[in-house]
Amino acid sequence: EADIYQTPRYLVIGTGKKITLECSQTMGHDKMYWYQQDPGMELHLIHYSYGVNSTEKGDLSSESTVSRIRTEHFPLTLESARPSHTSQYLCASSEAGTSGRSSSYNEQFFGPGTRLTVL
Amino acid sequence: KNQVEQSPQSLIILEGKNCTLQCNYTVSPFSNLRWYKQDTGRGPVSLTIMTFSENTKSNGRYTATLDADTKQSSLHITASQLSDSASYICVVSDRGSTLGRLYFGRGTQLTVWP
Repeated sequence: EADIYQTPRYLVIGTGKKITLECSQTMGHDKMYWYQQDPGMELHLIHYSYGVNSTEKGDLSSESTVSRIRTEHFPLTLESARPSHTSQYLCASSEAGTSGRSSSYNEQFFGPGTRLTVL
Repeated sequence: KNQVEQSPQSLIILEGKNCTLQCNYTVSPFSNLRWYKQDTGRGPVSLTIMTFSENTKSNGRYTATLDADTKQSSLHITASQLSDSASYICVVSDRGSTLGRLYFGRGTQLTVWP
């Protein structure tokens, strides 16, 4: 079973608040990802990281920011939450392959998600 | 454009019955295809993964097939149980980038009734 954790699981906040969604993994994986998922819709990649001090924006534009100071930790921050940020946020991690490329399977393990509601 | 399409969007079956979910993709160059199960309010969990050379892969009551020529996959669930109620997501990975980008379908919402 994958050891990847997200907190909080549910969060209801008011508009304008700053929030940080936590994600930690104990598998020593180099690559980590943040996805956004709305009900009945596909997952959209919003941020990813190849390793410590590496962060990149994903396919879906997001006002959130991420940091990767430690291998196991990949927090996501919203400086000023808005109702349009209401969604489910999923964190994932995977191993890095040899020669700097991903393994042929690129198995991603997902956390349980954070359901964010901005009023 | 790399896409993954799933059908049906939703499905209701009675406990004990079989069902088959479909996935069509246009992702290229293809690396692998996997089926995930996502329970409500949880993260996706991998059921099966298949590479280009594999036609079928089983995991208990779940059997996935892959036709790389027609770019189609199916997930067959045998003798369904109430715990099978979930969203089943088809995910295709390309091999054209170091990230190993994943392309997600919208999922088929399966409901198993007693």
